[in-house]
Amino acid sequence: SQQGEEDPQALSIQEGENATMNCSYKTSINNLQWYRQNSGRGLVHLILIRSNEREKHSGRLRVTLDTSKKSSSLLITASRAADTASYFCATDALQGGADGLTFGKGTHLIIQP
Amino acid sequence: KAGVTQTPRYLIKTRGQQVTLSCSPISGHRSVSWYQQTPGQGLQFLFEYFSETQRNKGNFPGRFSGRQFSNSRSEMNVSTLELGDSALYLCASSLAGAPSGNTIYFGEGSWLTVV
Repeated sequence: SQQGEEDPQALSIQEGENATMNCSYKTSINNLQWYRQNSGRGLVHLILIRSNEREKHSGRLRVTLDTSKKSSSLLITASRAADTASYFCATDALQGGADGLTFGKGTHLIIQP
Repeated sequence: KAGVTQTPRYLIKTRGQQVTLSCSPISGHRSVSWYQQTPGQGLQFLFEYFSETQRNKGNFPGRFSGRQFSNSRSEMNVSTLELGDSALYLCASSLAGAPSGNTIYFGEGSWLTVV
């Protein structure tokens, strides 16, 4: 089942601009992870944020988590052409890992040079 | 440190055949999970193995099975292949699996085409 829903489904911006992607989920979670996937490749782990954290940074990435709204956002600053990829949020359920990680359908990000 | 290794990367099978995919997790990781990715259904959890035991299972038919060896390497098998089984199969490894809070790392995947 798809717990996470990314928004927007597709995003096209100019190189150098910031890109923001949002993720909503349905059930209480322990952790939320963001992944990047280049076309036809595997998933690259970007950042993990725990349910008791509100914000995390990693390089040009900033992730926020609002458990009261069951939502998270991924901000990529100063975008580069190499950031062109699909981005997925993945959650694990608070009640246990019966469903493993649950992924949204992803945001396809295109960085125009 | 080597990442998650999946073999083969690409394969083509005929309907009715079976297929076995292999995954070598990151050294020291005891949890191995499998996911199916299709354009229509997205990324879906198949099952997770931890210390050679299936710990969790997604909503897939019994044609999908797996196992884990004592060295944590894992295989998944799909029997009686159907056209709808065409997908990217991704293996993921972590120290202890979801929802432990460990980072979960994915391999490059195995592209399966059923004709």
